[in-house]
Amino acid sequence: QQQVKQSPQSLIVQKGGISIINCAYENTAFDYFPWYQQFPGKGPALLIAIRPDVSEKKEGRFTISFNKSAKQFSLHIMDSQPGDSATYFCAASMAGGSNYKLTFGKGTLLTVNP
Amino acid sequence: DSGVTQTPKHLITATGQRVTLRCSPRSGDLSVYWYQQSLDQGLQFLIHYYNGEERAKGNILERFSAQQFPDLHSELNLSSLELGDSALYFCASSLRTGGEKLFFGSGTQLSVL
Repeated sequence: QQQVKQSPQSLIVQKGGISIINCAYENTAFDYFPWYQQFPGKGPALLIAIRPDVSEKKEGRFTISFNKSAKQFSLHIMDSQPGDSATYFCAASMAGGSNYKLTFGKGTLLTVNP
Repeated sequence: DSGVTQTPKHLITATGQRVTLRCSPRSGDLSVYWYQQSLDQGLQFLIHYYNGEERAKGNILERFSAQQFPDLHSELNLSSLELGDSALYFCASSLRTGGEKLFFGSGTQLSVL
């Protein structure tokens, strides 16, 4: 059972454009939603994260939009740059407690053309 | 550099063999997580240790085992290897349990031939 569904699988954007990646989750107990960025040959790195008590979080060119009722959240990359070309993963977890695990989406390969 | 060290970077072995993957967490981090990344399954959580104790298990096969030592480094042991075990194995660390920021190592690429 895939608890976090991510789309699209791949995305091509022109430099300066907006990249949008969407995720949907099923488990309403999830209360922490991070996005990770992964470059080839490297491990995932935390980009930005949100908790469900807010609907939006912005850090520089990166924004998470969160819709609790729809159980969806998305990553927006403004003014996309070639250096943003990477694989992006959304994830979800239940913060706290002893049965912790981070559940990842399948990933989106973003290509930003110069 | 995340501060998490994984060795070896690449491992090539044959079916039926046993291998050990090693992870050194960031200085001060008590939690170590192991993940498996493959093209078809994506990033799958395997197991979580906190200060030497197992805290959670995910999709870890019985042929796989892990432990965290008193110096907080961790090892993932994979035995009776099959072709399907070929994947990228990541270790991540964080200071506490829960939905905290995870710092991932660069991974160990395992190829089972």
